[in-house]
Amino acid sequence: GIQVEQSPPDLILQEGANSTLRCNFSDSVNNLQWFHQNPWGQLINLFYIPSGTKQNGRLSATTVATERYSLLYISSSQTTDSGVYFCAVVPQGGSEKLVFGKGTKLTVNP
Amino acid sequence: ETGVTQSPTHLIKTRGQQVTLRCSSQSGHNTVSWYQQALGQGPQFIFQYYREEENGRGNFPPRFSGLQFPNYSSELNVNALELDDSALYLCASSLDPGSTAFFGQGTRLTVV
Repeated sequence: GIQVEQSPPDLILQEGANSTLRCNFSDSVNNLQWFHQNPWGQLINLFYIPSGTKQNGRLSATTVATERYSLLYISSSQTTDSGVYFCAVVPQGGSEKLVFGKGTKLTVNP
Repeated sequence: ETGVTQSPTHLIKTRGQQVTLRCSSQSGHNTVSWYQQALGQGPQFIFQYYREEENGRGNFPPRFSGLQFPNYSSELNVNALELDDSALYLCASSLDPGSTAFFGQGTRLTVV
């Protein structure tokens, strides 16, 4: 099956810093989503981005489907950005299930 | 607030027992998927229901079963609970099988 790899696994920042999270996937996809999981376990939708670039406030994402990767940019990080960020894809030609990476754990210190 | 609600939020069960978890989908969504998330891991797909029919299943044994009702709410049933079933169970709803998935807050199940 498709492999989804996220890097780095852990990231520690000072408030105000910028960061880039990466998601590589091993096969073509129909759908790619980025999520933020808060400390209570809720998965919050950040982007639905099978291709192209989107921005939402301090967050932006780019997916280059032909090269099988996606990037999530966080600018001017805040302590509330802490948590685990997941990339999830729906492979082409398979059932419409999301396949998740293992996540990037982000800690933003004041 | 995603409009997807799950109940209960926490649950403790004894090995060998059965459990039912519930999910209320976002209004207008006809697709619901269930995921299991073990500690420190990404969520793993259990199965998906589309218009009350199973529409794909992950690598989980038959003791994991589900239902989707005419109002598109859903249940996940797990029989003969094992210690390894302890996890966060997440429900996601979407407009259709391929569109954006919105997750509930999850049910944290502990099997002792």
